[in-house]
Amino acid sequence: KQEVTQIPAALSVPEGENLVLNCSFTDSAIYNLQWFRQDPGKGLTSLLLIQSSQREQTSGRLNASLDKSSGRSTLYIAASQPGDSATYLCAVHSGNTGKLIFGQGTTLQVKP
Amino acid sequence: DAGVIQSPRHEVTEMGQEVTLRCKPISGHNSLFWYRQTMMRGLELLIYFNNNVPIDDSGMPEDRFSAKMPNASFSTLKIQPSEPRDSAVYFCASSFRAGGPRDTQYFGPGTRLTVL
Repeated sequence: KQEVTQIPAALSVPEGENLVLNCSFTDSAIYNLQWFRQDPGKGLTSLLLIQSSQREQTSGRLNASLDKSSGRSTLYIAASQPGDSATYLCAVHSGNTGKLIFGQGTTLQVKP
Repeated sequence: DAGVIQSPRHEVTEMGQEVTLRCKPISGHNSLFWYRQTMMRGLELLIYFNNNVPIDDSGMPEDRFSAKMPNASFSTLKIQPSEPRDSAVYFCASSFRAGGPRDTQYFGPGTRLTVL
């Protein structure tokens, strides 16, 4: 059974700092891995999707990496801003079904 | 496109009442997903549809929950009778297709359900 874990559960950093969020999964037979952002009281917004054949994806100040063999992914946020404050969720897509297995998320606070 | 639309945004009801949550997926998307989010259990998939057909309902907690997708532009999630432990945020999501390696799921704003 696939399990997804995110560490840390919460993170507080000063504005401008570079930071890394971690995601690990137990079954390396994945289709893809996605990072989502969730603002309080809102739905999820997809940030990056990494296919199983890829090593990383970049969008602006965000870079996500994937190491299937070790069951890990990281989300790197460069030059953090207060507007980056949100909960970041990692989700693994296993097999050719639609099922996403989510981690519990990392709640990020970027202080001005 | 307006994105995934859910209604109502908030629902407060009393234990034992029937609750119906509604979802309109993004036009052209063939897959629709219902999720539930709680502090204790995080985000859980309840059921998903491909081309209006339920594919996997193994996440539906019990017989009190049922979901339908009568056409490509509308789905409902019904709880009857509702219980306080059903209180959660219910999300609907859609994607072009389920299972594709590039298929991002797009989430609606959610329905916050409170059962008293």
